[in-house]
Amino acid sequence: EAQLLESGGGLAQPGGSLRLSCAATGFLVMSNDMNWVRQAPGKGLEWVSSLPEGTAGTYYAGSVKGRFTTSRDDSKNTFYLEMNSLRVDDTAVYYCAKRTGYGYGLDVWGQGTAVTVS
Amino acid sequence: DIHMTQSPSTLSASVGDRVTITCRASQTIDGWLAWYQQKPGKAPKLLIQRASSLQSGVPSRFSGSRFGTEFTLTISSLQPDDSATYYCQHYHSIPWMFGQGTKVEIK
Repeated sequence: EAQLLESGGGLAQPGGSLRLSCAATGFLVMSNDMNWVRQAPGKGLEWVSSLPEGTAGTYYAGSVKGRFTTSRDDSKNTFYLEMNSLRVDDTAVYYCAKRTGYGYGLDVWGQGTAVTVS
Repeated sequence: DIHMTQSPSTLSASVGDRVTITCRASQTIDGWLAWYQQKPGKAPKLLIQRASSLQSGVPSRFSGSRFGTEFTLTISSLQPDDSATYYCQHYHSIPWMFGQGTKVEIK
């Protein structure tokens, strides 16, 4: 069974940094499109970043571009979100999610990890 | 950016009712739309992708349809377990965008 497990959330100061990890089991990160989606307290879902399978390209929402970096370590089957220059409005639960490929929805989600910037 | 306008924001219905949620895209997204269900404190769950393709394991009372840039999620016979917030999401082009969400309550 495909599963994702996030870690690394916590409290950071404005201007600070955090790195989130998303460990995958039951499938290969390198063979899927990997994504980050966040949800501010009491708010809706916001797509943050995508790392398509195999390629070097990554995509970011305008609100995080230049501050957040997505990467993966195939040897650890883990996906990362490096967050720098954190702002108060980055406070959210961050979910990692995969999709099998182009044309599919986000079919497996992690449980989420909370980030508070204060 | 392609924005998604979802309605209603909340709805209250009885067990057995037919329920419809609508998302309208600000421009064409072809059929690249997904619907998710989210319960409090939990991650979203994929219900439908490509506008009308039911995800494996999702009850058949859920269905999706498309008419141009308007998409609907229908629950044919509302069940108590369907109490949740529902989101649409387009994945036509970057940035992917979600609708604002529809909270479904059981009367």
